[in-house]
Amino acid sequence: AQSVTQPDIHITVSEGASLELRCNYSYGATPYLFWYVQSPGQGLQLLLKYFSGDTLVQGIKGFEAEFKRSQSSFNLRKPSVHWSDAAEYFCAVVPMNTGFQKLVFGTGTRLLVSP
Amino acid sequence: EAQVTQNPRYLITVTGKKLTVTCSQNMNHEYMSWYRQDPGLGLRQIYYSMNVEVTDKGDVPEGYKVSRKEKRNFPLILESPSPNQTSLYFCASSLVTGKRNTEAFFGQGTRLTVV
Repeated sequence: AQSVTQPDIHITVSEGASLELRCNYSYGATPYLFWYVQSPGQGLQLLLKYFSGDTLVQGIKGFEAEFKRSQSSFNLRKPSVHWSDAAEYFCAVVPMNTGFQKLVFGTGTRLLVSP
Repeated sequence: EAQVTQNPRYLITVTGKKLTVTCSQNMNHEYMSWYRQDPGLGLRQIYYSMNVEVTDKGDVPEGYKVSRKEKRNFPLILESPSPNQTSLYFCASSLVTGKRNTEAFFGQGTRLTVV
């Protein structure tokens, strides 16, 4: 079935440590790829997006993501996590078979940052 | 400031009492959509609209109605709310270029409780 998978429901990282959040998709053709962040009580904010081209994408707040076609993955990374990064992170895709019209979300990963 | 505005932010209502959640965007976006967010399920699309007077069902449309009489507004209507519609609701808008959806901008969310 076509889907977006975020295998980690919760992740705890120490402040200053590196972070990687996983995202896999199962669509026949490479969709558009996004990462959104939701801080407590807030709406969703776009961190970064991939449409085509360079597979390493830079985003806001020091985040980056790497698209790997062979693994159908779009993992989010940050070299040094800050306490303010504690939030819920959603991977999302716009699949080609919807005419690039529909945004489909993963179930989210909640990031906890320990002192 | 470019934004998507939802009202109300919080709403407690009783089963069967019709309600409307408003959504307005000031970016002249063609595409608008409604999502509900439930723990462990991520965001699921309820309805979307490609333009004025053009709406279509998303993944979980049962129990909801929408209308798109003006480009900037996309209200969500619950004719007879039930407790299983207790959720966090998000409105989003995006620009569609060449039939390709670009990044979505989200409202702050409406937390609805149906008792």
